[in-house]
Amino acid sequence: DTAVSQTPKYLVTQMGNDKSIKCEQNLGHDTMYWYKQDSKKFLKIMFSYNNKELIINETVPNRFSPKSPDKAHLNLHINSLELGDSAVYFCASSQAGMNQPQHFGDGTRLSIL
Amino acid sequence: GDSVTQMEGPVTLSEEAFLTINCTYTATGYPSLFWYVQYPGEGLQLLLKATKADDKGSNKGFEATYRKETTSFHLEKGSVQVSDSAVYFCALSVGGFKTIFGAGTRLFVKA
Repeated sequence: DTAVSQTPKYLVTQMGNDKSIKCEQNLGHDTMYWYKQDSKKFLKIMFSYNNKELIINETVPNRFSPKSPDKAHLNLHINSLELGDSAVYFCASSQAGMNQPQHFGDGTRLSIL
Repeated sequence: GDSVTQMEGPVTLSEEAFLTINCTYTATGYPSLFWYVQYPGEGLQLLLKATKADDKGSNKGFEATYRKETTSFHLEKGSVQVSDSAVYFCALSVGGFKTIFGAGTRLFVKA
């Protein structure tokens, strides 16, 4: 039983294309996140949602649009992909509250040709 | 602003050596502190946490103590194994919806 699952695991595409990454969690958590991890392993928060509402948007370009159809899902759509978008994208979830740890998916490796 | 600084890697050790990975933080509030571990090809997993001063988090032989006076949360293990090779992240949370991660420290353990 995968707690946080994201698909696809690998995504190879051309510059300028539009792509989506899906994320689902079966932990009953209220809060979900998207992170971007670069080649040096630096992890940067992109978005945070609580109960389907956007809480944090860390100055991410408008080309990135998250969508949360329900509390268990947070999808990420990316328009007009650029070379700099190449990275590993992680979805995570947690209960609300500063003491609560986050549970991560295994990541989606996005490569832009 | 809030931030986490951890020692740069990579750290290379022989099996059964003692491990310390330093982590210091800056926070406007009173944060909760975490260590996460990332194995190759996987997402981050919680390793341990501490929520108040002098708390000691521990798991799988790893320990870290929340030191408010030195704003530190150093990770230690008495005897590392090859299977501990991974990237380790120190992190803090001061609010319910944002966790700030350090840059990560890669650990290599040689047999």
